[in-house]
Amino acid sequence: SQQGEEDPQALSIQEGENATMNCSYKTSINNLQWYRQNSGRGLVHLILIRSNEREKHSGRLRVTLDTSKKSSSLLITASRAADTASYFCATDLSGGSYIPTFGRGTSLIVHP
Amino acid sequence: EAGVAQSPRYKIIEKRQSVAFWCNPISGHATLYWYQQILGQGPKLLIQFQNNGVVDDSQLPKDRFSAERLKGVDSTLKIQPAKLEDSAVYLCASSSLGQMGGELFFGEGSRLTVL
Repeated sequence: SQQGEEDPQALSIQEGENATMNCSYKTSINNLQWYRQNSGRGLVHLILIRSNEREKHSGRLRVTLDTSKKSSSLLITASRAADTASYFCATDLSGGSYIPTFGRGTSLIVHP
Repeated sequence: EAGVAQSPRYKIIEKRQSVAFWCNPISGHATLYWYQQILGQGPKLLIQFQNNGVVDDSQLPKDRFSAERLKGVDSTLKIQPAKLEDSAVYLCASSSLGQMGGELFFGEGSRLTVL
């Protein structure tokens, strides 16, 4: 079963605009990660945020985590055509084994 | 540092045939994962190894799928016999932190088409 679910499923924006994707999950977590997947390629790690963190930045990426709402958001500022990809959140399971579980992803298209 | 290597990149077979995929993780990474990604969906974990032991294989269809990680390094995933619904990309990933959580490093994947 899928732990995290991204929203929206698809997002289409113009270059220079900001893109926001959301991830909701069902059970408590230790950490949450965001990955990017270009068409026909493997996934690439973007950022990890731990359950005791509320916000994290990496370059043009900003990730927030609200454990009370069991949700996270990924903001890409000043988007570029090269940001066109699918974005996935991955959650582990608190307690027990660490088993990275992915959602269905958000497909982002950035038009030049 | 070399990344996660997977082969073959593409494979086309007929249903009921068998196929094997190979993965060589990043050197020193104790944890290895096999994921199945069907077109338009997120990766679904099939099996997780810690060294050469299985941590989780609850979603592996054991009547037709098998995986091994001999010597705790590279791994093979086998499907026998294949069904049409097995058409997917099979992704291998490795991690150095394992049960501590952390970043997964993915290979480029092996795309399987079952006709």
